[in-house]
Amino acid sequence: EVQLVESGGGLVQPGRSMKLSCAASGFTFSDYYMAWVRQAPKKGLEWVASISYEGSSTYYGDSVKGRFTISRDNAKSTLYLQMNSLRSEDTATYYCARHGYWGQGVMVTVSS
Amino acid sequence: DVVMTQTPVSLSLAIGQPASISCKSSQSLLGTSGKTFLNWILQRPGQSPKRLIYQVSKLYSEVPDRFSGSGSETEFTLKISRVEAEDLGVYYCWQGTHFPYTFGAGTKLELK
Repeated sequence: EVQLVESGGGLVQPGRSMKLSCAASGFTFSDYYMAWVRQAPKKGLEWVASISYEGSSTYYGDSVKGRFTISRDNAKSTLYLQMNSLRSEDTATYYCARHGYWGQGVMVTVSS
Repeated sequence: DVVMTQTPVSLSLAIGQPASISCKSSQSLLGTSGKTFLNWILQRPGQSPKRLIYQVSKLYSEVPDRFSGSGSETEFTLKISRVEAEDLGVYYCWQGTHFPYTFGAGTKLELK
C-alpha cells in the first residue's frame, strides 16, 4: 500500500525557516517524480515544487522560487521541503504527492 | 503560466442525477510526448485530495465507472452518470503538461 506521511509542520514566525519531510513507503521511491502541493485555509490547491527521480532537476512555483528548496533522499525514501524567509501567505496545509497519491497533509502556520 | 478555468463553481444535485464539470486551459495540454496530462481529483470535506482520472480519460482502478473524462487540447469535461452520496466534495482539474503545474479553482458538488 502506498503511503506518504508528512511531518515537520507547526507554528513559525515570519522570516524564519522550517523543513518539512515526507516519508514514502509501498513503492519504489526513486521511480517517481515527487511534488509538494499546498492549500491555504479555505482556498484551492497550489502546486509548490517538483523533483525528478534522482533529484537532478527541480521545479518551483513563482510564489516560492528562491525561498523554498525541494530535495529527496532515495536511500531513505524521503522527500523534503526546506522553507526559508517564510511569509504569512505561506500559511497552508502542505501535501506530499506523487502520481496518483497524496499524503494526509501537514499544517504550517506563519504568524508572529 | 497555464490558467485552468473550471465551471460551474458549484453544483447542487439530487442522488441519481448526472453531473458535468468543465475545465478549460489557456493553452494546449498536449505534450511533446503526445500525451495530455489533464487530471481530475476529488477532495471530500476534511480530507486530502483523492485521485479520479489521469491523462484526460483514464480512470484509476478503484474509481467507479459512473465517472468519465473527455476532451482534448484546451477543453475537458468530467461527468458523473448518476451522483451518489459519496461523491460530494470539491472537484479539481489540474494540468501536469507545463511547469508550473496549475489547478482549477474547484467545483463544489453538494447534495440537494
